[in-house]
Amino acid sequence: QQQVKQSPQSLIVQKGGISIINCAYENTAFDYFPWYQQFPGKGPALLIAIRPDVSEKKEGRFTISFNKSAKQFSLHIMDSQPGDSATYFCAAKTNTGTASKLTFGTGTRLQVTL
Amino acid sequence: NAGVMQNPRHLVRRRGQEARLRCSPMKGHSHVYWYRQLPEEGLKFMVYLQKENIIDESGMPKERFSAEFPKEGPSILRIQQVVRGDSAAYFCASSPPQGRGNSPLHFGNGTRLTVT
Repeated sequence: QQQVKQSPQSLIVQKGGISIINCAYENTAFDYFPWYQQFPGKGPALLIAIRPDVSEKKEGRFTISFNKSAKQFSLHIMDSQPGDSATYFCAAKTNTGTASKLTFGTGTRLQVTL
Repeated sequence: NAGVMQNPRHLVRRRGQEARLRCSPMKGHSHVYWYRQLPEEGLKFMVYLQKENIIDESGMPKERFSAEFPKEGPSILRIQQVVRGDSAAYFCASSPPQGRGNSPLHFGNGTRLTVT
């Protein structure tokens, strides 16, 4: 099954709070898990990515937590700012030739309020 | 260092007309992917191309849709005899040759197709 399930669909967080977005996958052949950020009228931009051989990756205020046995991964945005308001997509990919396309979750619309 | 360039940004077509969407990948990138995004939905994979080759078209509708990435020039996504359900944002992404490991996909800003 080439499917990635993402939740919640939308999220409102106060400035300074922690935003948490969750994703689950089924295909155990996935070996690369990026998160993309999309602003209105723009294309998705790579935010941070992780491989399944590590359980956590942190870049600035953004952290991916990865649970291989549960086939779940999540994005944590610490100290959320109004400028973080955007739609976030998780994705997954295999690295096997013709199957190397990205499969996206359905997206989470994040709004950070003052 | 130009990113992925898509044109036009907005395209309006009447039902039954043809839509041609263009994508120039980033310099040095030889792999192109097309995705479709419906309002309030995620990105759905359509087709993956390398120069002069279609690698994976499992997400392309069987009829009216075609894609190419010629040796010279941009990749083209063509939609013939458009219908209202084709209205969506179409995104192109490119990556360098995959080689070892995973190369990130870089997306353009999309073409927003409206069928009236």
